Amino acid sequence: GENVEQHPSTLSVQEGDSAVIKCTYSDSASNYFPWYKQELGKRPQLIIDIRSNVGEKKDQRIAVTLNKTAKHFSLHITETQPEDSAVYFCAASINSGYSTLTFGKGTMLLVSP
Amino acid sequence: ETGVTQTPRHLVMGMTNKKSLKCEQHLGHNAMYWYKQSAKKPLELMFVYNFKEQTENNSVPSRFSPECPNSSHLFLHLHTLQPEDSALYLCASSQVTGELFFGEGSRLTVL
Repeated sequence: GENVEQHPSTLSVQEGDSAVIKCTYSDSASNYFPWYKQELGKRPQLIIDIRSNVGEKKDQRIAVTLNKTAKHFSLHITETQPEDSAVYFCAASINSGYSTLTFGKGTMLLVSP
Repeated sequence: ETGVTQTPRHLVMGMTNKKSLKCEQHLGHNAMYWYKQSAKKPLELMFVYNFKEQTENNSVPSRFSPECPNSSHLFLHLHTLQPEDSALYLCASSQVTGELFFGEGSRLTVL
C-alpha cells in the first residue's frame, strides 16, 4: 500500500518568514495530493490540493509543488502569520472511485510574532 | 446545522463499558469515514462506507463496531476497549471522489 513520509515534524519560524513542508510517497499510481490544516482543538480542513497533471498550484500565500518523477510534493507558505500556526498534514491517494487517503504524520508549524 | 457534526465531543469510559460515537453529515455526501488520530501518528483510516455499504475495514479490532443506517449517519460502537484506544476519533464525509470534510472529533479516554 501507499506510504507517505512527512518532514519536518516541527517547524518554528518568525512572522513574515517562509515555511516549507515536504512529503514523499511510495506508490507511483497516486495522483491526488491534498494538504490539510488542523488548528489546535479544531477539525482538519483542506487548504490546497494538486493533481498529477500539474506541477504547481498557488492560492494567495500558499503553494504546492509536485515532482512525480521523484515522488515528492511540498507545501510552501510565504509571509507567515501567527494564525498560520497549526498542524499540517499531507496525503496521497489513487483516485480510483472514492477518496481513501494515506496521510503523513503531520508537521506542527509555530509562527512567532 | 451544516457540515459534519459529531457527538459526544468528549467521552471517558472504563474498559468494561459500552458506548457509541455518533456522526451526522448535512452535505449530501455519499461516503462516510471513521479515522483515529493519536499523538505523533498519521491519521489512521478505520472504516469507509460508500452508499451505506462498508467498503474498507483496515484490520480494526472487533471491539470497534461501525454502523451506517443511511448515507447521513454513521456510528462507532465501542465495547471492552483498552487504554491504548484513547485517541481523537474523527468522522468525515465526501462525495465519491473529492474533498474530505471532517467533524470536530470525539475525544475518547479509556481508563
